[in-house]
Amino acid sequence: DAKTTQPNSMESNEEEPVHLPCNHSTISGTDYIHWYRQLPSQGPEYVIHGLTSNVNNRMASLAIAEDRKSSTLILHRATLRDAAVYYCILRDGLGAQKLVFGQGTRLTINP
Amino acid sequence: EAEVAQSPRYKITEKSQAVAFWCDPISGHATLYWYRQILGQGPELLVQFQDESVVDDSQLPKDRFSAERLKGVDSTLKIQPAELGDSAMYLCASSRGLAPSYEQYFGPGTRLTVT
Repeated sequence: DAKTTQPNSMESNEEEPVHLPCNHSTISGTDYIHWYRQLPSQGPEYVIHGLTSNVNNRMASLAIAEDRKSSTLILHRATLRDAAVYYCILRDGLGAQKLVFGQGTRLTINP
Repeated sequence: EAEVAQSPRYKITEKSQAVAFWCDPISGHATLYWYRQILGQGPELLVQFQDESVVDDSQLPKDRFSAERLKGVDSTLKIQPAELGDSAMYLCASSRGLAPSYEQYFGPGTRLTVT
């Protein structure tokens, strides 16, 4: 499975945008980029995914670099409820499609 | 909104005892996953089912762990005998199918403490 690299922790202020980076330099052409987050004492929650183009949904936006070697999850206006561990995961389009979680980025939101 | 159900939410057991966890996926979801999450780490896949068939159990410690999904709906994960190192959160997830674009929906988990 291709690996991803994320900062261990980030901090931001409430109502400000947050940009969470992810490096995946060994990504293959069939790998989808998925983001999940895990709030304290809860199971992970799907956030967004993409293949080549930027994606938007009600929770966040995903910006994918042109060479696909990196991506950025964008929370447009952070709230206290967005404090969580964010995982960037590659899912092989040809393999068993399992999620391989790394350490993720622990996001702290200051009021 | 449909959710993945798990029970029990918490379980305390003594080492060498047997323990079982139950998962009811979202209705219509063909793929079911069991993950283990040790404190401070990301979840790790133990076993993956497509309907009633095992797709991937490469990380399942088969000498003590077993999983089944007999009718392709709900699933049970069993540990016998439990060891101290099995203390962790056990998460169940389901998805519509195997396609990599399908998101996984996670249950609240069962927190196991082995004493």
